[in-house]
Amino acid sequence: DADVTQTPRNRITKTGKRIMLECSQTKGHDRMYWYRQDPGLGLRLIYYSFDVKDINKGEISDGYSVSRQAQAKFSLSLESAIPNQTALYFCATSEEGRTDTQYFGPGTRLTVL
Amino acid sequence: QKEVEQDPGPLSVPEGAIVSLNCTYSNSAFQYFMWYRQYSRKGPELLMYTYSSGNKEDGRFTAQVDKSSKYISLFIRDSQPSDSATYLCAMSEVNTGFQKLVFGTGTRLLVSP
Repeated sequence: DADVTQTPRNRITKTGKRIMLECSQTKGHDRMYWYRQDPGLGLRLIYYSFDVKDINKGEISDGYSVSRQAQAKFSLSLESAIPNQTALYFCATSEEGRTDTQYFGPGTRLTVL
Repeated sequence: QKEVEQDPGPLSVPEGAIVSLNCTYSNSAFQYFMWYRQYSRKGPELLMYTYSSGNKEDGRFTAQVDKSSKYISLFIRDSQPSDSATYLCAMSEVNTGFQKLVFGTGTRLLVSP
């Protein structure tokens, strides 16, 4: 079984809808991240969390919120989706104290119409 | 100017060729350099990790860092069709505490049989 899983893998939604993307990990890592990937822009950090009580904004957090339900679960929400949030979203984890070596999930392809 | 520049490709080579993938960067404080490989419809996976300047070899892969030129390279010897993927460079100033990874946009490599 994969160490980092994401659900759903694909989602098509309409402008204004609320969407939640979920991430679970079995690696036992404390640190979890949400990124989005866009052609020509690479991976950009949305939010990161060092533990259940520690959540931080990344470089592009506007329009997104997160919830760390447990050490192993980290969810990303789009409260009111807009078309420019169409992208590939990745969850990642890393060991306590480390940022450089990150383990990525398979991604969620989100399309906002 | 982007902090990390990477040619998007695609780079097309025949099987068995030596491949050179490169990134340039502007932040002289970067000390940790990584190469991630991303297959289609998958998340990035860590391929090579180097600290500071010098070379690191792992099987058919060699990572090279030239901090004086702010230039890093990934060489693939005896390239195989299974090497066809997008290769992302990533960099960090530190490997503890928190410093976000800065990713290149990725170079798409196609190895034909």
